[in-house]
Amino acid sequence: DQQVKQNSPSLSVQEGRISILNCDYTNSMFDYFLWYKKYPAEGPTFLISISSIKDKNEDGRFTVFLNKSAKHLSLHIVPSQPGDSAVYFCAARSSGGSNYKLTFGKGTLLTVNP
Amino acid sequence: DGGITQSPKYLFRKEGQNVTLSCEQNLNHDAMYWYRQDPGQGLRLIYYSQIVNDFQKGDIAEGYSVSREKKESFPLTVTSAQKNPTAFYLCASKGALNTEAFFGQGTRLTVV
Repeated sequence: DQQVKQNSPSLSVQEGRISILNCDYTNSMFDYFLWYKKYPAEGPTFLISISSIKDKNEDGRFTVFLNKSAKHLSLHIVPSQPGDSAVYFCAARSSGGSNYKLTFGKGTLLTVNP
Repeated sequence: DGGITQSPKYLFRKEGQNVTLSCEQNLNHDAMYWYRQDPGQGLRLIYYSQIVNDFQKGDIAEGYSVSREKKESFPLTVTSAQKNPTAFYLCASKGALNTEAFFGQGTRLTVV
């Protein structure tokens, strides 16, 4: 049962335009959401996160939006740059207790064309 | 420089042999994790440890074993019982004050 879903395996955008990556989740116990960026043969690097008590978090060109009622979040990158080309993973943290587990989606490959 | 080091980057083993992947961190993080990445599968949790001398199974622990004898180290052994061991393995750690986990550069294991 996939609790974090990234339904678009790939996305292609032009440099300078907006990239929107989507993520859906099913577990109501998730209390924190994160986006990671990953280049081939490297480990993921943390990009931006959002708590379930917020609906928006912005950091430079990156903004994450959370719609709790729809169990949906999205990552907006604007303007998109060729260096943003990578796989983006959505991840969610379960609340409760001292255990910290991240559940990841399958990722979306973003290609930004010059 | 603080960080997480996974070694080696590429590893080849014959089928039926156990192999141990190394993960070391000097970030003073209590929690450490092992994930596996397969094409089109995202990252799946194998084992995690919240503190020294304690660890829990993740979602796909069968065929794997771990130990956490030191805070800095969380080695993963891929045993011969793991049916599809060829994959990209990622180690991560997290400090108490962090909301995010930090990842190493990964080890590509190929079993032939």
